[in-house]
Amino acid sequence: DAGVTQTPRHEVAEKGQTIILKCEPVSGHNDLFWYRQTKIQGLELLSYFRSKSLMEDGGAFKDRFKAEMLNSSFSTLKIQPTEPKDSAVYLCASSLGGGAEVFFGKGTRLTVV
Amino acid sequence: GDSVTQTEGLVTLTEGLPVMLNCTYQTIYSNPFLFWYVQHLNESPRLLLKSFTDNKRTEHQGFHATLHKSSSSFHLQKSSAQLSDSALYYCALHNQGKLIFGQGTKLSIKP
Repeated sequence: DAGVTQTPRHEVAEKGQTIILKCEPVSGHNDLFWYRQTKIQGLELLSYFRSKSLMEDGGAFKDRFKAEMLNSSFSTLKIQPTEPKDSAVYLCASSLGGGAEVFFGKGTRLTVV
Repeated sequence: GDSVTQTEGLVTLTEGLPVMLNCTYQTIYSNPFLFWYVQHLNESPRLLLKSFTDNKRTEHQGFHATLHKSSSSFHLQKSSAQLSDSALYYCALHNQGKLIFGQGTKLSIKP
């Protein structure tokens, strides 16, 4: 069974660009999460979907970050416009829900110059 | 709001010594569900162990933790560290369907 798949693995963007990160959750999982990982802040929740419905959109990340789940097997995270402080690893994760194990993808390392 | 605190950013130990990584949490819910995730270099985080039962020890891969609601703690322990335990460890609280993570503790084991 395939795990969580994220593309691209690496992305370099210029300040002000729009980038789109992609995620395919584990087949059959109901919950999908986007997290940002940095050394200073650790894992910060950006968005949370349950059965394709947006449950949480990460408060402080609302203005330039937008996650969508077009169908149960695909999600995107758009950052528009990018800023150097957005440089981080973006992790997509999925689970069956209800406190079940959360499975993480390998992440996309974003560098904004 | 709910939160998780890991007080140590970096723990450095010699191989063979015991490991204890601290985790405390705050939540309004009376039945919290706590997790430990481990992330090795160049890998993604994966579940190490979890618990929602008060005062019951849970074990996996040589590590153990006990949820203590009285002190809002879920410390991770291992009796004898191995070089392969070097990794980043996250404590997490399940909250309304999502996980709230602590800031993580980097565990570095030296020979």
